Amino acid sequence: NAGVTQTPKFQVLKTGQSMTLQCAQDMNHNSMYWYRQDPGMGLRLIYYSASEGTTDKGEVPNGYNVSRLNKREFSLRLESAAPSQTSVYFCASGGQGSNQPQHFGDGTRLSIL
Amino acid sequence: GENVEQHPSTLSVQEGDSAVIKCTYSDSASNYFPWYKQELGKRPQLIIDIRSNVGEKKDQRIAVTLNKTAKHFSLHITETQPEDSAVYFCAASIGAYGQNFVFGPGTRLSVLP
Repeated sequence: NAGVTQTPKFQVLKTGQSMTLQCAQDMNHNSMYWYRQDPGMGLRLIYYSASEGTTDKGEVPNGYNVSRLNKREFSLRLESAAPSQTSVYFCASGGQGSNQPQHFGDGTRLSIL
Repeated sequence: GENVEQHPSTLSVQEGDSAVIKCTYSDSASNYFPWYKQELGKRPQLIIDIRSNVGEKKDQRIAVTLNKTAKHFSLHITETQPEDSAVYFCAASIGAYGQNFVFGPGTRLSVLP
């Protein structure tokens, strides 16, 4: 039982390049989330998906797109990377029902030069 | 929208002493409050949570208290050990089903031997 798996673990991009961060969970959770973590700012929600087929913006969605491919997979795409998007990105999934904890992946460390 | 404040931002204690981290939230509709521990370079991991129908919850050396009237909740760690050194995040649930969280900015706890 792997939980939440993210790929890649590290990536360096040049400004203007695009890339997709992958996330998969094997806990049969309906909800999935993408966060970014910057020093001193905690975890900020980029996008979330409450169920397969739905996605919604979080606190900081600009510059990102997401796809909920199926119940297991939720990807995050940077169409034209900018240095301000240098961050650690975490994917999470949420348990069934309301008010359940979220379980995080190991993160992707992304640097934009 | 919901705002979660967390204090202190850094905390140093001697091994064996207690540590207390406090959070306040703004949305009276929030009713689920998880705490996460994040070791350096690792994923955030749930250590304890509390729901609004409970005032206190304890798990071995860790306890959480909730005061819904004052909109604040606290994490208490007793008999601290060096392995308790990490960044701790509080969070409050938001949304119609409480499936989303707003995180505090984090507290860096150092336990000195």
